[in-house]
Amino acid sequence: DIVMTQSPASLAVSPGERATINCTSGPSVSTSNIKNYVAWYQQKPGQPPKLLIYWASMRESGVPARFSGSGSGPHFTLTISSLQAEDVAVYYCQQYYTTPRTFGPGTTVEIK
Amino acid sequence: EVQLLETGGGLVQPGGSLRLSCAASGFNFEANAMSWVRQAPGKGLEWVSGITNTGETTFYADSVKGRFTISRDNSRNTIYLQMNRLGVEDTAIYYCAKEAGATNGWHDYWGRGILVTVSS
Repeated sequence: DIVMTQSPASLAVSPGERATINCTSGPSVSTSNIKNYVAWYQQKPGQPPKLLIYWASMRESGVPARFSGSGSGPHFTLTISSLQAEDVAVYYCQQYYTTPRTFGPGTTVEIK
Repeated sequence: EVQLLETGGGLVQPGGSLRLSCAASGFNFEANAMSWVRQAPGKGLEWVSGITNTGETTFYADSVKGRFTISRDNSRNTIYLQMNRLGVEDTAIYYCAKEAGATNGWHDYWGRGILVTVSS
């Protein structure tokens, strides 16, 4: 199975500051034609996950522009450029390159 | 508007069975693969099972293979998860998730989830 790891496990960021979450796949979930099979989800307490990013960098419709994804090969990043109070949540990366689809363990983002 | 509504959860004894249903609306159901994803209390997300748009191919996590069966009825816009030989480790919120494609994609819509509790 492909293992997705995330770092840090949690982070606290001041409002308006940048939050960066890292995700690494093992083995790679990228193809030679540079397709990166990684999605990012946001989960707020008591709610189902919500899709933010797919193909590692494509923002889902309706997702604020402060959320961006980047990376290739085994290393991927989710960046929240200017943290808002409503962004407090757990963030998960996931690979959909193959089954079983695997998620990272999650990163908890809090307000400092 | 895409809607996914899970039903069929509840309390079951270890070794028992339960069947979850997920009724879908608001999109062309037969065009999309579907999945079940679960979340144990206070834990992260675990993909459980998936099924292609036609239902011809199914996939399972090792943790449920041989005990769970996923199926779909495209005439009813519904997927199912038959869960047998349940153990306490299967206690979780089970989410139904739509995939953004016929066979292999990210989960673009999720249901609210249904709680399954396995306990004596």
